Amino acid sequence: GAGVSQTPSNKVTEKGKYVELRCDPISGHTALYWYRQSLGQGPEFLIYFQGTGAADDSGLPNDRFFAVRPEGSVSTLKIQRTERGDSAVYLCASSLTSGKNTGELFFGEGSRLTVL
Amino acid sequence: AQTVTQSQPEMSVQEAETVTLSCTYDTSENNYYLFWYKQPPSRQMILVIRQEAYKQQNATENRFSVNFQKAAKSFSLKISDSQLGDTAMYFCAFSGRAGNMLTFGGGTRLMVKP
Repeated sequence: GAGVSQTPSNKVTEKGKYVELRCDPISGHTALYWYRQSLGQGPEFLIYFQGTGAADDSGLPNDRFFAVRPEGSVSTLKIQRTERGDSAVYLCASSLTSGKNTGELFFGEGSRLTVL
Repeated sequence: AQTVTQSQPEMSVQEAETVTLSCTYDTSENNYYLFWYKQPPSRQMILVIRQEAYKQQNATENRFSVNFQKAAKSFSLKISDSQLGDTAMYFCAFSGRAGNMLTFGGGTRLMVKP
């Protein structure tokens, strides 16, 4: 596709349920990033993939959060036993290169997760 | 660890006027990139302008320019001839050696009034 695609756009779930959020990056982009944006705040880094491997997962808040990118393209962010504090917009971004500080990340429109 | 601070939660400006958004950051690195991203209600972050720390010349993109003061660790965004479509959240961001991973500030909500 022309841009970064994220599904679902909105997800409402109940506390304790399992959730998957999907990101389809721009074709050919090797680096993929997940961010979490709480209401009224700036995005916070969660995890970054270079190809299929997680190059940096230091931003994942706890072991309920996990992300995969098995074929180096589409990525899935998985949240187990959701809590109300997980409610946020989850942003995905991709870029052509990594490790060279070229700068620009291309963002999707995010998935808004609401945990009741 | 890097930190990025935006001290203005909200700003407003009249259409066609000029407005400046402030940003300060803290890092021990010498080579890095700084960015301003715009986030309209659609939620999609859009790159506005980028500055490379080793370049002394301030970046300019049409109506958008920056005032980069490396010693003061300050990186402000000036929007000239403000347009209604500039209404959005603006985020200052830092990228160091760790690939393109960005550290964002808390954002400034800009309202352009007709």
